[in-house]
Amino acid sequence: GENVEQHPSTLSVQEGDSAVIKCTYSDSASNYFPWYKQELGKRPQLIIDIRSNVGEKKDQRIAVTLNKTAKHFSLHITETQPEDSAVYFCAASKAGGFKTIFGAGTRLFVKA
Amino acid sequence: DAGVIQSPRHEVTEMGQEVTLRCKPISGHDYLFWYRQTMMRGLELLIYFNNNVPIDDSGMPEDRFSAKMPNASFSTLKIQPSEPRDSAVYFCASSLSDGGWGYGYTFGSGTRLTVV
Repeated sequence: GENVEQHPSTLSVQEGDSAVIKCTYSDSASNYFPWYKQELGKRPQLIIDIRSNVGEKKDQRIAVTLNKTAKHFSLHITETQPEDSAVYFCAASKAGGFKTIFGAGTRLFVKA
Repeated sequence: DAGVIQSPRHEVTEMGQEVTLRCKPISGHDYLFWYRQTMMRGLELLIYFNNNVPIDDSGMPEDRFSAKMPNASFSTLKIQPSEPRDSAVYFCASSLSDGGWGYGYTFGSGTRLTVV
């Protein structure tokens, strides 16, 4: 079945720096890649997503890139702020069932 | 819309007791998912429904777990009998289908289950 690996498990950056989280997936039929942010004690919330028919998508300070050949996708956060501190999950799903497989999560700390 | 609504928010129960978790998805969403989150295992998909029909329950840990969706606005996850290792946060999520593409989930606030 599908497997999603996520790195790093923990990331600490200084406020204003950039943060990059990387994921790989195993099923080449996967075509939808969402990213979720989960603050402590809260629910995961969708922050950005990308479909396999595009290579990059940007929304203000966050962007996601997708390399279908290598089966890699990444989340980029620029000008990090303390409120970006949270656990970020990548995920992958494919048509026909919408079963989403989540990565293990990256705990991001942004130091003021 | 009030989003995905789960109840109760917290549940503490004794080992061997029956536990029922409830979920009301967003109106119009045709997919409903039950996930379990623990530090050790992360987010695990337990079961999901499409138009109230269970599609994949391969993630349900064992026969002690069962889930139903009697109508489009209500689902339950039942554990009977409960065990301490069932302690976790259980999330319900709902989603729209979008042709041949996946779609983002809206998660409920979760139920924190503690079995003592």
